[in-house]
Amino acid sequence: QQPVQSPQAVILREGEDAVINCSSSKALYSVHWYRQKHGEAPVFLMILLKGGEQKGHDKISASFNEKKQQSSLYLTASQLSYSGTYFCGTERGSGGGADGLTFGKGTHLIIQP
Amino acid sequence: GAVVSQHPSRVICKSGTSVKIECRSLDFQATTMFWYRQFPKQSLMLMATSNEGSKATYEQGVEKDKFLINHASLTLSTLTVTSAHPEDSSFYICSARPLPVLRGNQPQHFGDGTRLSIL
Repeated sequence: QQPVQSPQAVILREGEDAVINCSSSKALYSVHWYRQKHGEAPVFLMILLKGGEQKGHDKISASFNEKKQQSSLYLTASQLSYSGTYFCGTERGSGGGADGLTFGKGTHLIIQP
Repeated sequence: GAVVSQHPSRVICKSGTSVKIECRSLDFQATTMFWYRQFPKQSLMLMATSNEGSKATYEQGVEKDKFLINHASLTLSTLTVTSAHPEDSSFYICSARPLPVLRGNQPQHFGDGTRLSIL
C-alpha cells in the first residue's frame, strides 16, 4: 500500500525550513528518502531502520517513529539546490531487504531566492 | 561507489518495436535488481523484481509477456519491452542494492533511467 506524503507541495524562500511527512497504514520496517530533480533519476538521501531513529547530514535530517508508522524529513535553512520532488519509499514484506520500494506520491519543493 | 549504469538513456521508436534496456551495477554485485516505471508527474511504481538465476517477480497488473526480464549475472539485468505501443511510453528506472543486504540497511541505487517514447 502506497505511503501518504504531505504536503503535496511547498514553496519556500531560501533559508526557510520545511518538514515533509510520510505515513503508512501498514507496519514499516524501513523508510527511504529520495530527492528527484526534473528529468533525472532519484538520488538517495537516507534510510531509517529503527523506531525512533533519527539521522541527518548537513542540513537535512529525518526521524522514524515505528509505532506511529510515520517518518518526517526536515530541511533546515533551505538552499536553492534543495528544490525537487521528495519521495519516501517504504519496504514491504518482512524487511528482509530483498523487496522493492513502494513510493509515496511525492512532495514538490520549490525554493525561491 | 555503488554506481548503477542504465543504457540507453533515451529511445524513440515506432509502435510494434521491441526495446531492450540494460541495467548494470558497476562496482558491486546484486542478486536482486528492481525495475520501476514513472509516468509524467507521477511517482515511481515498482514493476518487477529481477532475480539472478531465477524468474523475475512481477507486480500485479504488469504483463510478464510484455515486459521480459533477464538477470544474466550478478551485475546485469535487462528489461525488454516487447511490441511497444504509445501507452508504454514512460521513464523506466532500474535500481540495485549492494550485497550483503541485511534487513534493508542498504539503499537502493538507481540508474539514470531510460526515457522511452513510442510513436
